[in-house]
Amino acid sequence: GAVVSQHPSRVICKSGTSVKIECRSLDFQATTMFWYRQFPKKSLMLMATSNEGSKATYEQGVEKDKFLINHASLTLSTLTVTSAHPEDSSFYICSARDPKGERGGGSYNEQFFGPGTRLTVL
Amino acid sequence: KQEVTQIPAALSVPEGENLVLNCSFTDSAIYNLQWFRQDPGKGLTSLLLIQSSQREQTSGRLNASLDKSSGRSTLYIAASQPGDSATYLCAVRDDKIIFGKGTRLHILP
Repeated sequence: GAVVSQHPSRVICKSGTSVKIECRSLDFQATTMFWYRQFPKKSLMLMATSNEGSKATYEQGVEKDKFLINHASLTLSTLTVTSAHPEDSSFYICSARDPKGERGGGSYNEQFFGPGTRLTVL
Repeated sequence: KQEVTQIPAALSVPEGENLVLNCSFTDSAIYNLQWFRQDPGKGLTSLLLIQSSQREQTSGRLNASLDKSSGRSTLYIAASQPGDSATYLCAVRDDKIIFGKGTRLHILP
C-alpha cells in the first residue's frame, strides 16, 4: 500500500491565488521530507528539504517566500505556492525519509516518494 | 557537483527483446542508487535500490548493476512487454537525491 500520500493529486487554480499541497508519511515518522518539481520532459529537481520543527532548506534559485514549506509534525509537510502564476504549473512530488526503519524490510533512512500533485495555474 | 546522465533519452524496441538502460554519475561518493519507473502524468514507482556496497539487485525481469568506481549503473529488462513502456529514471543519493532526465521506453507490440 501507499507509504507516502499527497493531497490533492490535481489542482487547477487562477493566477494570483495560493495553493497548499500536503505530504503525509503513512506508517513512519519522517523528520525529513523533500519537495521536488518536475517540468514536462525534464528531470525531477529538488526544491527544498523540510525538517520537522525547523525552517526548510531551499535549493539555489528556489524562492522561499513563494514556496512556503511547513513541517509541523513528524508525518506532515505542506508546500504552499503563493500568488501562483502560470509558470508555476508543474508536477510536484514529495518524499519522506524513514530515519528509524519503521517500515521494516531494511528501510532505514530510505526515501519514499508520494504520488505527486499536478498543479495547473490558469 | 553531482550530475546524473541517462542514455539513451528514448528507446523503442519490439516486444520480447532484452534491453539495457544506462545511467552514469560524476561523483562516486554515493550512498545508493535507485531506479524508478514513471508513467505519463503519474508519480514514481521504485524498481530497484542498490546500496553503495552492493553490485547488483534483481527483481523479476529487472536487474540493476552498480559500478561505483566508474560511476555507472545499468538497468537490464528481460523479455520486454508492452506494459514496460514508461520513463525510467535513475537517481543517486549523496546528501541529496539527484535524478537523471530519464529514458523514455516504448515497447512495440
